[in-house]
Amino acid sequence: NAGVMQNPRHLVRRRGQEARLRCSPMKGHSHVYWYRQLPEEGLKFMVYLQKENIIDESGMPKERFSAEFPKEGPSILRIQQVVRGDSAAYFCASSPTNAGPKNIQYFGAGTRLSVL
Amino acid sequence: KNQVEQSPQSLIILEGKNCTLQCNYTVSPFSNLRWYKQDTGRGPVSLTIMTFSENTKSNGRYTATLDADTKQSSLHITASQLSDSASYICVVSATTGGSYIPTFGRGTSLIVHP
Repeated sequence: NAGVMQNPRHLVRRRGQEARLRCSPMKGHSHVYWYRQLPEEGLKFMVYLQKENIIDESGMPKERFSAEFPKEGPSILRIQQVVRGDSAAYFCASSPTNAGPKNIQYFGAGTRLSVL
Repeated sequence: KNQVEQSPQSLIILEGKNCTLQCNYTVSPFSNLRWYKQDTGRGPVSLTIMTFSENTKSNGRYTATLDADTKQSSLHITASQLSDSASYICVVSATTGGSYIPTFGRGTSLIVHP
């Protein structure tokens, strides 16, 4: 059973370009979470999705950022018109379908975005 | 505002020694507290999870404690090994409309020297 797969591992973009980060959850997991980790900072919750639904996006910036988790395929975190402040490590985590207060989130290795 | 504070920020110990990491939080309404280990360049890996009614949880050489009254937790590592060198992150989740939103501490960076 493969773990949470994120790609690419490293992504370099110029200011104004778009960044697409992909996350394939563990097999059987239908809950996906995206986090951002700025240098020297703790992880910050961005968005929580289930298949085809955004459950909580309270941590997402209001502009330029969007996330989806389609019925088929990986979850996508999309950042439009990137700026230097978007440079960070973006982590995805997944949890099993019957998630409760003790659900374990399994993290991917992250995508490190660098904006030039 | 929900916050999680960890101390110390960094710690250096000799292999074989024990150490204790601290976590204080102001998160409401409290759902659970987790400790994660994050190796450099990797994603966090769960060590322990505790809900309100649990005050201790062990996972091998790792033992976590929770005092829900004082809103403090500790992670004790026994007989440290070189592979314990990592960042240890305290995460406290609040319940909001059925979902569990985590607040992460900045982590304690542990270095174990031979």
